[in-house]
Amino acid sequence: SQQGEEDPQALSIQEGENATMNCSYKTSINNLQWYRQNSGRGLVHLILIRSNEREKHSGRLRVTLDTSKKSSSLLITASRAADTASYFCATRGDTGGYNKLIFGAGTRLAVHP
Amino acid sequence: GAVVSQHPSWVICKSGTSVKIECRSLDFQATTMFWYRQFPKQSLMLMATSNEGSKATYEQGVEKDKFLINHASLTLSTLTVTSAHPEDSSFYICSARDDRDGEGYTFGSGTRLTVV
Repeated sequence: SQQGEEDPQALSIQEGENATMNCSYKTSINNLQWYRQNSGRGLVHLILIRSNEREKHSGRLRVTLDTSKKSSSLLITASRAADTASYFCATRGDTGGYNKLIFGAGTRLAVHP
Repeated sequence: GAVVSQHPSWVICKSGTSVKIECRSLDFQATTMFWYRQFPKQSLMLMATSNEGSKATYEQGVEKDKFLINHASLTLSTLTVTSAHPEDSSFYICSARDDRDGEGYTFGSGTRLTVV
């Protein structure tokens, strides 16, 4: 099952520009995480934001969370060609179960030199 | 940091055969592991939650008799694709949740399965 949508589906920018990706989800959450995936590879954890947090920073990454709108955004500042990858948000529910992560559709980011 | 080893990284098999994929947490214990499937240019779809010492919990629409999951120890879960068909060709990724850190999820590097 997929939690929600991400937009844009694809984003193409020049090095040095900022990249903003958005994620929407459907159910109440405990936390939301962002991951990066290079083509044909596994996932790398980027950042986690809890449901009681509104904004978080890590290096060139800035994540916001709006639980009233059930949405999050990931901003990558001063992008580099090496940032080219797919980016996924994943939500962890806040009720029962085994705390599975459900992924959004993802944004394919291409950063051109 | 936490490391999950997934084996093999790629496999080609004939239709009708079975393939086993291993997911191993190297430096932490994981009572719970997860199996995902990913088609080209798509997102990760959760297939099942693997629990050490008990039966796996499958997501709706996933055939448990086709995708056998065994979580025999706190560091190892296996996914066996039985009687594989070309439509089972996909990228399979496992994830392990660190027992010490409820928020820590570490992913394997994935297995590219091609059924011919």
